[in-house]
Amino acid sequence: DTGVSQDPRHKITKRGQNVTFRCDPISEHNRLYWYRQTLGQGPEFLTYFQNEAQLEKSRLLSDRFSAERPKGSFSTLEIQRTEQGDSAMYLCASSPSGQAYEQYFGPGTRLTVT
Amino acid sequence: KNQVEQSPQSLIILEGKNCTLQCNYTVSPFSNLRWYKQDTGRGPVSLTIMTFSENTKSNGRYTATLDADTKQSSLHITASQLSDSASYICVVSAVNAGNMLTFGGGTRLMVKP
Repeated sequence: DTGVSQDPRHKITKRGQNVTFRCDPISEHNRLYWYRQTLGQGPEFLTYFQNEAQLEKSRLLSDRFSAERPKGSFSTLEIQRTEQGDSAMYLCASSPSGQAYEQYFGPGTRLTVT
Repeated sequence: KNQVEQSPQSLIILEGKNCTLQCNYTVSPFSNLRWYKQDTGRGPVSLTIMTFSENTKSNGRYTATLDADTKQSSLHITASQLSDSASYICVVSAVNAGNMLTFGGGTRLMVKP
């Protein structure tokens, strides 16, 4: 399978706990994006990487959120001290450099904070 | 502000019927528009992509239209099937916008037998 993969697919956590999600992009894609999607809404941009460099962050990405892409391949998104409002689907996408509109999405990680 | 508005928010149709979903955008300067299908609990999958010069593009039973003058697009589904039940998201990209895509809120389609 050469598509974008995400792990885990589902995560249930208690409020206040930390969670980390992983995204493996399509191997030849330089750009990697994170989005958050709540029920009935379109995805909202969180941040994106060009190789290992994090080039843009949305103001939705509070101090409790951190994303990394240390080797320019897979990426992790960590949420610290989770809150119930963090419950959402977290989508990862990747694209070739210079073709940002050609984003291929992963299956998402659904986070439920209880 | 760049925005993408979709209508209706939700739609229920009977299997075999046709339907049309609408997308209005204010993204400027326009680069391209894409329709995605998103099954429940899964990531969006691209159906069509249209640039400024394209008026119509088909992908099987899906036909997208684009009117760049009125900044409107539609997605027409012919002879609907139960597997068409999903959310359909309109996404618009602006020229020189780097990574930025503007997403619509989606239309949730339910096809009933």
